[in-house]
Amino acid sequence: QQQVKQSPQSLIVQKGGISIINCAYENTAFDYFPWYQQFPGKGPALLIAIRPDVSEKKEGRFTISFNKSAKQFSLHIMDSQPGDSATYFCAATMDSNYQLIWGAGTKLIIKP
Amino acid sequence: ETGVTQSPTHLIKTRGQQVTLRCSSQSGHNTVSWYQQALGQGPQFIFQYYREEENGRGNFPPRFSGLQFPNYSSELNVNALELDDSALYLCASSPRQGIGTDTQYFGPGTRLTVL
Repeated sequence: QQQVKQSPQSLIVQKGGISIINCAYENTAFDYFPWYQQFPGKGPALLIAIRPDVSEKKEGRFTISFNKSAKQFSLHIMDSQPGDSATYFCAATMDSNYQLIWGAGTKLIIKP
Repeated sequence: ETGVTQSPTHLIKTRGQQVTLRCSSQSGHNTVSWYQQALGQGPQFIFQYYREEENGRGNFPPRFSGLQFPNYSSELNVNALELDDSALYLCASSPRQGIGTDTQYFGPGTRLTVL
């Protein structure tokens, strides 16, 4: 119930294309869903996050889509650029908890 | 405002040894969390410290222990190292105790290799 399942494991997208990464969760008590971006040799950095009271959140080229009934959420990267090449992690937690539950990560490569 | 820093960057130890990893939290943050990230995996929560007390713990054995100091810097200690302890160890700081939805700011990690 504590797991967050992430797919795909790796993704190759042409420059200018749309990158889509999907996550699914089981615990309906989760109420905060962040996405982290990690470059090689660096720690993860918060990219964008969403609460389940909205179905979509957009920040620049990054959009989270949230489907509460299906217990799924996804990250869309529009106009993908080579600089977006990184590993992306979805996560889930709740206000009353102290830890993030992480997906296994998606290694994204944007081909020029 | 300084970010989260960790030391050392890399470390090689042999099985059975003990190791201490260090973390300086971001200015103004009083909560530190430690994570273990195995190669190709997402981070796994080890424990969290708030004002020098352990605030919560993940599914890690007691040989993983920690400390937080009055300046909110922190240490992760691992005793009796095992081969499976080889991983990237991440420290993250946040401004409030036990609030999972607070943004966590991560350091670059310490890469530990156990031979």
